[in-house]
Amino acid sequence: GNSVTQMEGPVTLSEEAFLTINCTYTATGYPSLFWYVQYPGEGLQLLLKATKADDKGSNKGFEATYRKETTSFHLEKGSVQVSDSAVYFCALKGGSGNTGKLIFGQGTTLQVKP
Amino acid sequence: KAGVTQTPRYLIKTRGQQVTLSCSPISGHRSVSWYQQTPGQGLQFLFEYFSETQRNKGNFPGRFSGRQFSNSRSEMNVSTLELGDSALYLCASSSLGGSSYNEQFFGPGTRLTVL
Repeated sequence: GNSVTQMEGPVTLSEEAFLTINCTYTATGYPSLFWYVQYPGEGLQLLLKATKADDKGSNKGFEATYRKETTSFHLEKGSVQVSDSAVYFCALKGGSGNTGKLIFGQGTTLQVKP
Repeated sequence: KAGVTQTPRYLIKTRGQQVTLSCSPISGHRSVSWYQQTPGQGLQFLFEYFSETQRNKGNFPGRFSGRQFSNSRSEMNVSTLELGDSALYLCASSSLGGSSYNEQFFGPGTRLTVL
């Protein structure tokens, strides 16, 4: 079945460091890909999305490119801030046999130190 | 527009009891999905409702059930609670069901603790 694999955390960075969180997926068909962020005590917020191969999603300095050839959707940010500390989830939706539900990776905790 | 609201935010129950959680989607959204979040299993899909019909169901026992009302509000019910049902239950709404790229907007969740 469809699945998403994220790099394990926690990831600890200093402020202004470069961030990469790896995400790979297994799916048949053409799913859409998402990154969600969860701050402590809150629900999930959509960070960015890409709906087809080679699409680049971007928001708040974060970006990710849908790479069908490597089945990847890695999240990057050039300069992280303390306020970026949160849990990040990669997810897919759609593709063959999977219409309505989001399938999530395990989440990666990011800690940014001043 | 107001976001997705969930009530209650926190709930403490004992084993064997039942519980009902409520979710009000964003105005105009007709699809509501429920997810369970635990440290061990992560985020797992429970079910999706669209226009009062269950369209999709995850791999959870029959103790977990849900419904959707004509105003798109949804409830989920868990009967005969077990310790392992302790989790954050998240509701998400979207404007159209079935389309793979429609964004799902999440509520803040209901934190259920089973003692």
